Amino acid sequence: LAKTTQPISMDSYEGQEVNITCSHNNIATNDYITWYQQFPSQGPRFIIQGYKTKVTNEVASLFIPADRKSSTLSLPRVSLSDTAVYYCLVARLQTGANNLFFGTGTRLTVIP
Amino acid sequence: NAGVTQTPKFQVLKTGQSMTLQCAQDMNHEYMSWYRQDPGMGLRLIHYSVGAGITDQGEVPNGYNVSRSTTEDFPLRLLSAAPSQTSVYFCASSSRRRTSGKDTDTQYFGPGTRLTVL
Repeated sequence: LAKTTQPISMDSYEGQEVNITCSHNNIATNDYITWYQQFPSQGPRFIIQGYKTKVTNEVASLFIPADRKSSTLSLPRVSLSDTAVYYCLVARLQTGANNLFFGTGTRLTVIP
Repeated sequence: NAGVTQTPKFQVLKTGQSMTLQCAQDMNHEYMSWYRQDPGMGLRLIHYSVGAGITDQGEVPNGYNVSRSTTEDFPLRLLSAAPSQTSVYFCASSSRRRTSGKDTDTQYFGPGTRLTVL
């Protein structure tokens, strides 16, 4: 599976849009990209998932360029409650199994 | 739905003791997994199961056993606890769906069990 690289930490003020970029240069044809959010003392929570172009849901947008070697998670107008660690994963469904490899993630701190 | 539940939330063991971490899900998911998370690190896969009666090893399986007798339950057993197994353990279950014409997998995580081995 493709290794991912993302910034260790980011700071943002409340109300701003935050973009977290993840690099995955070795992504394969059938790999897809998923982002999870984790608060302290909690399990990761699914945010958004995509294969190509742009995906949007009620909490975030995911931008994937044509070469798919990177992806950007966009959080509109962040609030203090968005302070968390964000993980970018590249995964591929294999016959009968699915393995997810988490990196160290990006620690986002939202400042009042 | 309760989602994914884990018990206990906290546990302290002495070296050499054994115990079972419980995990249950009520979403009828076929796939279930166990991860451990150490301070400052991401999650590492211990064992996973693709259905009742079928299990396989992940990245860090040594010292752990699993079984899957029902779709709902996926217990993790520590046979002889060691201080290196001090960690937070997360159980997850997965559902599959189609994204842009591709099959993808979305994992739902439990609240975790914080284990300390003295």
